[in-house]
Amino acid sequence: EAGVTQFPSHSVIEKGQTVTLRCDPISGHDNLYWYRRVMGKEIKFLLHFVKESKQDESGMPNNRFLAERTGGTYSTLKVQPAELEDSGVYFCASSQDLSTGVHEQYFGPGTRLTVT
Amino acid sequence: GDSVTQMEGPVTLSEEAFLTINCTYTATGYPSLFWYVQYPGEGLQLLLKATKADDKGSNKGFEATYRKETTSFHLEKGSVQVSDSAVYFCALTRWQGGKLIFGQGTELSVKP
Repeated sequence: EAGVTQFPSHSVIEKGQTVTLRCDPISGHDNLYWYRRVMGKEIKFLLHFVKESKQDESGMPNNRFLAERTGGTYSTLKVQPAELEDSGVYFCASSQDLSTGVHEQYFGPGTRLTVT
Repeated sequence: GDSVTQMEGPVTLSEEAFLTINCTYTATGYPSLFWYVQYPGEGLQLLLKATKADDKGSNKGFEATYRKETTSFHLEKGSVQVSDSAVYFCALTRWQGGKLIFGQGTELSVKP
């Protein structure tokens, strides 16, 4: 079974540009999460999808960040326009339907975003 | 709000040394507690977890006990190996399926 995959693995963009990160969760996982780790600090929650709906977006830093999950499968996280402080590693995680009682979040390898 | 505090790294040990990475948390109620590990070039992997007070999580020789009275979940291993070199994250969640709240991570380097 394939794990959580993220694309690209590394992106370098200039301030003011747009970047779109993609996450493909484990097949059949209804829950999809985005997290970010900035400058070696703690990993911070951004948002949580249940299927195609946003369950919790309390961690989104501002309206320059837009997350979508069309059809409840893969998800994209767009940053527009990018600022220097957006640099960091963006992690995606997925977990099964909560009714199965299995709640472990499986993480992807992350996308390292560098804004110059 | 809820938070997790870990001991700062990096931690450098010799092979077969004893490891302790301290983790304390602030949260109302009874959160579930986790240790995740990130090996070089890889994503985070769940190492162990505990869902109620006095539970002990264990995996790959690592152990951590959920201590409600001290709000702690310290990670221990009796004899580390070079292959244990990684970044270790302590985390909590208030409810199953909810967001994880992480500490800042502790980098461990084990020398032969």
